[in-house]
Amino acid sequence: AQSVSQHNHHVILSEAASLELGCNYSYGGTVNLFWYVQYPGQHLQLLLKYFSGDPLVKGIKGFEAEFIKSKFSFNLRKPSVQWSDTAEYFCAVNENRDDKIIFGKGTRLHILP
Amino acid sequence: DGGITQSPKYLFRKEGQNVTLSCEQNLNHDAMYWYRQDPGQGLRLIYYSQIVNDFQKGDIAEGYSVSREKKESFPLTVTSAQKNPTAFYLCASSIRQGAYGYTFGSGTRLTVV
Repeated sequence: AQSVSQHNHHVILSEAASLELGCNYSYGGTVNLFWYVQYPGQHLQLLLKYFSGDPLVKGIKGFEAEFIKSKFSFNLRKPSVQWSDTAEYFCAVNENRDDKIIFGKGTRLHILP
Repeated sequence: DGGITQSPKYLFRKEGQNVTLSCEQNLNHDAMYWYRQDPGQGLRLIYYSQIVNDFQKGDIAEGYSVSREKKESFPLTVTSAQKNPTAFYLCASSIRQGAYGYTFGSGTRLTVV
């Protein structure tokens, strides 16, 4: 069965630090990849998505992610985090236009002011 | 504005009772989904529906039931057979398949007392 692994369950950073959240998936075929964010008390929002083309995807709020097919990875990055980035981040995968999306267990990011 | 409305936001249920969570969308999306979110476990798929009057079980369907009588509505019933129903429930929709990404509702927090 397909699975999504997020390497860190909880990350604590200071403002202005650089961020990289790891995500690996298990499916070897064509995939669509997503990062969602859940700010405290808010609903899940799409940060960015990869369908095809340039493997470096830019999303909202300065986030980007790189799809490395050979490593089955889709890591999320931000050069300089802000206190407002405190949230839970979910990596998600859709395999070969399947009906559904599989989510990772999430990474809680806490930014110290 | 188009979106997904989940109600109620908070729900308390006595053990042994069935309870129904509402999910309505005005996005004209074909597909709708129910996920359960527990701390440290990410989002787990309960049921999903691609078209009216049809739905499929997800990974954790036991103790739950759904209906899809209208395109806009996808209610979830948590039955007394669900052994651990206390959780945060999220409804989502997609234009057609999961490949296009989801729009999420704001969730219902169910507590069994």
